Amino acid sequence: GQQLNQSPQSMFIQEGEDVSMNCTSSSIFNTWLWYKQDPGEGPVLLIALYKAGELTSNGRLTAQFGITRKDSFLNISASIPSDVGIYFCAGQLQAAGNKLTFGGGTRVLVKP
Amino acid sequence: DAGVIQSPRHEVTEMGQEVTLRCKPISGHNSLFWYRQTMMRGLELLIYFNNNVPIDDSGMPEDRFSAKMPNASFSTLKIQPSEPRDSAVYFCASSPPGTSPGKLFFGSGTQLSVL
Repeated sequence: GQQLNQSPQSMFIQEGEDVSMNCTSSSIFNTWLWYKQDPGEGPVLLIALYKAGELTSNGRLTAQFGITRKDSFLNISASIPSDVGIYFCAGQLQAAGNKLTFGGGTRVLVKP
Repeated sequence: DAGVIQSPRHEVTEMGQEVTLRCKPISGHNSLFWYRQTMMRGLELLIYFNNNVPIDDSGMPEDRFSAKMPNASFSTLKIQPSEPRDSAVYFCASSPPGTSPGKLFFGSGTQLSVL
């Protein structure tokens, strides 16, 4: 089946830093989404992208739908402690209806 | 507003026992999804319903797993008999009609441990 490769698998952030993560696939997706999961909770939608090349912001978050439709990235600017969590990319194929394929996640941790 | 409600939050059972997980979607939402999350396999879609009808159950791992949605406000995921490898966090999610694809609202999950 389709696979989404998310990188990095984990990262440490220091308050105020900008962070970036990305997601790539061998398949073409019609929709890219970014979710965040806090401990003990379900994922929460951050940003949805529906057109190749689309760049969308949500507060300090910015995400882009790659031109090739096989990749997406998420940037967090001026990180704060509550940005800690696991970030998942997800892709949706037109033929797949409402089925989403999730990446393995990027775990964001605070530098000690 | 109440989100997606799952019960129980935690379930510990012994191998061979029947396990039933419950989900109440957000009122007015017409699509419901069951996902399983493990360290090894990440988030996997097990089954999803549209207007209470199962649309795609290709992710259901084995015949031991079954899901029902008897009405718009309730769904169950049953495992019978349970096995240790079923240990995972099971999430229910719902989405409203007419929404763009992929906009899911997840519950807090049921952490299942099969001993």
